[in-house]
Amino acid sequence: EDQVTQSPEALRLQEGESSSLNCSYTVSGLRGLFWYRQDPGKGPEFLFTLYSAGEEKEKERLKATLTKKESFLHITAPKPEDSATYLCAVFMDSNYQLIWGAGTKLIIKP
Amino acid sequence: DGGITQSPKYLFRKEGQNVTLSCEQNLNHDAMYWYRQDPGQGLRLIYYSQIVNDFQKGDIAEGYSVSREKKESFPLTVTSAQKNPTAFYLCATSRYRGTSRETQYFGPGTRLLVL
Repeated sequence: EDQVTQSPEALRLQEGESSSLNCSYTVSGLRGLFWYRQDPGKGPEFLFTLYSAGEEKEKERLKATLTKKESFLHITAPKPEDSATYLCAVFMDSNYQLIWGAGTKLIIKP
Repeated sequence: DGGITQSPKYLFRKEGQNVTLSCEQNLNHDAMYWYRQDPGQGLRLIYYSQIVNDFQKGDIAEGYSVSREKKESFPLTVTSAQKNPTAFYLCATSRYRGTSRETQYFGPGTRLLVL
């Protein structure tokens, strides 16, 4: 069964304390992966698309990387405004549907 | 002002009642989607539509219905057959149809609660 798992479920960091969020998957025919950010009570906001192992993308304090089995979202020197739930989703050409992880809730304390 | 709008923001359903959630977009995107979000779970696809007058069931279509009479609009009806409708409902669009590779853009969501 195709599956996407995000870890940890929740992560509390002090402002400036760098860390990584993990998105691991067991799917057949992976073609790429999305990362989204979701604030409480709002819709997800698109961050990155990664298509192949070894690819990296950056935006401000966030950097996303992809291997054959997992993706990492690295956050460097985070600020309180980076607090949100981060979602990943994988896609395959053989299927119109995305497979979503349950998300990691990130809390950055000032 | 381009974007995706969902209304209402909050919706209360009584037992045995059908309710309709609105999703409108002015992005000229071909494909539209409805997801359900529950705590601790990934987004689950209810229905999607890639073209006007055509739509397909997702993983959890039972108890829901949709229509796509206009490119801009994709309303979702939660019927009385859906026994556990309390959730956060998200509408999304993507520019082109035919593949899941297209980035999906989300509306602000509707929270449905049962009285």
